Amino acid sequence: QPVVTQSSSASASLGSSVKLTCTLSSGHSAYIIAWHRQEPGKAPRYLMKLEGSGSYNKGSGVPDRFSGSSSGSDRYLTISNLQFEDEADYYCETWDSDTRVFGGGTKLTVL
Amino acid sequence: QVQLQESGPGLVKPSGTLSLTCVVSGGSISSSKWWSWVRQSPGKGLEWIGEISHSGSTSYNPSLKSRVMVFIDKSKNQFSLSLNSVTAADTAVYYCATAGTGGHFDYWGQGTLVTVSS
Repeated sequence: QPVVTQSSSASASLGSSVKLTCTLSSGHSAYIIAWHRQEPGKAPRYLMKLEGSGSYNKGSGVPDRFSGSSSGSDRYLTISNLQFEDEADYYCETWDSDTRVFGGGTKLTVL
Repeated sequence: QVQLQESGPGLVKPSGTLSLTCVVSGGSISSSKWWSWVRQSPGKGLEWIGEISHSGSTSYNPSLKSRVMVFIDKSKNQFSLSLNSVTAADTAVYYCATAGTGGHFDYWGQGTLVTVSS
């Protein structure tokens, strides 16, 4: 089954951009992933679906500041013009025919 | 859009059974979706528990498979989780979620905290 790996933390300054990474395990580099965001004390919220080609589809209401890209086994979430409200945990999700897995999550701090 | 709402006891005794229900509104549970349970232990990440399709097919996390069941009640537009032989390690916020034809989770419930303690 696939495994997805994320850095545990990231930080960037208000108004800048940050690129979060989700890496798929060997043999699963073509897998589609989804990004979810979890603000403190809240439920996760779906952000986007991201394919290996780099094509992505965002959920309803997700701001234009959020974009996705891919390179090999890596899937990226880029947030531009960072706001304090972007301080949250970001999880990637992937799935197979009979399983789902999450990365460990990246805690984003906005400085 | 689909809305999900979890309900169930907030406290379960060790060795007992954890039972939760997720009511679906804004859509039919008979649609082409997967209906899932995910949990998050305090201070930890998300862990997929298991899911059921509109047709009743189920899939479970191998680490929990021997203790978990997910079942669907189409007449009430809801689905449920049963986790038996619980220990303190099962203390977590439990979320219901749904995955559509895109394959990924697209809607989440607000979550409910379940504590396992005597």
